[in-house]
Amino acid sequence: DGGITQSPKYLFRKEGQNVTLSCEQNLNHDAMYWYRQDPGQGLRLIYYSQIVNDFQKGDIAEGYSVSREKKESFPLTVTSAQKNPTAFYLCASSIRRLTEAFFGQGTRLTVV
Amino acid sequence: DAKTTQPPSMDCAEGRAANLPCNHSTISGNEYVYWYRQIHSQGPQYIIHGLKNNETNEMASLIITEDRKSSTLILPHATLRDTAVYYCIVRVAESGGSNYKLTFGKGTLLTVNP
Repeated sequence: DGGITQSPKYLFRKEGQNVTLSCEQNLNHDAMYWYRQDPGQGLRLIYYSQIVNDFQKGDIAEGYSVSREKKESFPLTVTSAQKNPTAFYLCASSIRRLTEAFFGQGTRLTVV
Repeated sequence: DAKTTQPPSMDCAEGRAANLPCNHSTISGNEYVYWYRQIHSQGPQYIIHGLKNNETNEMASLIITEDRKSSTLILPHATLRDTAVYYCIVRVAESGGSNYKLTFGKGTLLTVNP
């Protein structure tokens, strides 16, 4: 089935370690996005990519990095520079020229 | 993207219509109104979108006022599974530049009661 897959669903890391969250889509979508959600809050945009090998910072990019080497993959690295990394991370994709976005089921990252 | 204003929470009785309002008084002529919902601990789900005409699909109806400064999402027969946070978003639909950004506010928590 077509869709967008995030893995793992739950992730635990020690403070000071970098961690990479996976996002894969087989929908042939050009655009992909990463969002962060904190308890009781809306979604905040971290990074987005319109096309392979190109990406732009969102509203809260500090402490995060991404790559877009393949159309179907958009991994997010949470670096040790991110001061409050514990959050629910959501990946999404959308077709160029259409904006119905499909979301993954999210990764809940806990840093201890 | 135009800013939207939604009530933080609403209640609805099961089987009744749920009417969720959204104000977007600064909307531009080329901006669409989109609705998504997020069930607890899941990714958001697209519901419906429209420009100026009312829209209906299998999930909901979208009513946009004539001046386009506000809209209402209608769930005609709410069920317990419709309990979720509902987000109203306005943005342009064409590609290019920052138009790929989807900006989510805090939305409205709809609680459907038995």
